[in-house]
Amino acid sequence: GESVGLHLPTLSVQEGDNSIINCAYSNSASDYFIWYKQESGKGPQFIIDIRSNMDKRQGQRVTVLLNKTVKHLSLQIAATQPGDSAVYFCAENYNQGGKLIFGQGTELSVKP
Amino acid sequence: GAVVSQHPSRVICKSGTSVKIECRSLDFQATTMFWYRQFPKKSLMLMATSNEGSKATYEQGVEKDKFLINHASLTLSTLTVTSAHPEDSSFYICSAWDGVSGNTIYFGEGSWLTVV
Repeated sequence: GESVGLHLPTLSVQEGDNSIINCAYSNSASDYFIWYKQESGKGPQFIIDIRSNMDKRQGQRVTVLLNKTVKHLSLQIAATQPGDSAVYFCAENYNQGGKLIFGQGTELSVKP
Repeated sequence: GAVVSQHPSRVICKSGTSVKIECRSLDFQATTMFWYRQFPKKSLMLMATSNEGSKATYEQGVEKDKFLINHASLTLSTLTVTSAHPEDSSFYICSAWDGVSGNTIYFGEGSWLTVV
């Protein structure tokens, strides 16, 4: 069935470096993608989203890239800080009014 | 901004009892809410779609009689775990869809259920 998966389950970076978290999706009909940050014991926190008619979207210190050809999504975090340490999930939505399918998650650890 | 509130945030119950978790949209009306389950170090797994005024739509493998969902108003959905067992212990998260003001999805803070 449809699935959204991640290439790396864990990622460790040095403070100040850039982080790249990857995600592969399988449903070519997906038209909306969201990246979430989840801290231990809390609900997902919205980071950035992108629609399928775009290839790139930038936020504050974060950039999401979408490659529809290979069905790949990435989240780039610039100048990673200790407060960025968390689990990051990508999620896809395919015109189902809020229904999201989540990827497996990547745990980002930032070393001071 | 819009907020989705879950209650209780933590609950401990005995095996065999039932426990209810509430999900409320505080400043918008959510015709659709979603319930997810999450195990430690794992992703969020969609359990069901809760539609106001109609029966919930359950994902494959989720027991309808085990996880009762009621969406009686546009701001409240409840998940009742019936005859709870230790394997039901998990983190339950709801989300609410605001399809009126911008197709935005809001998540609650989650509810930790421990069955002893």
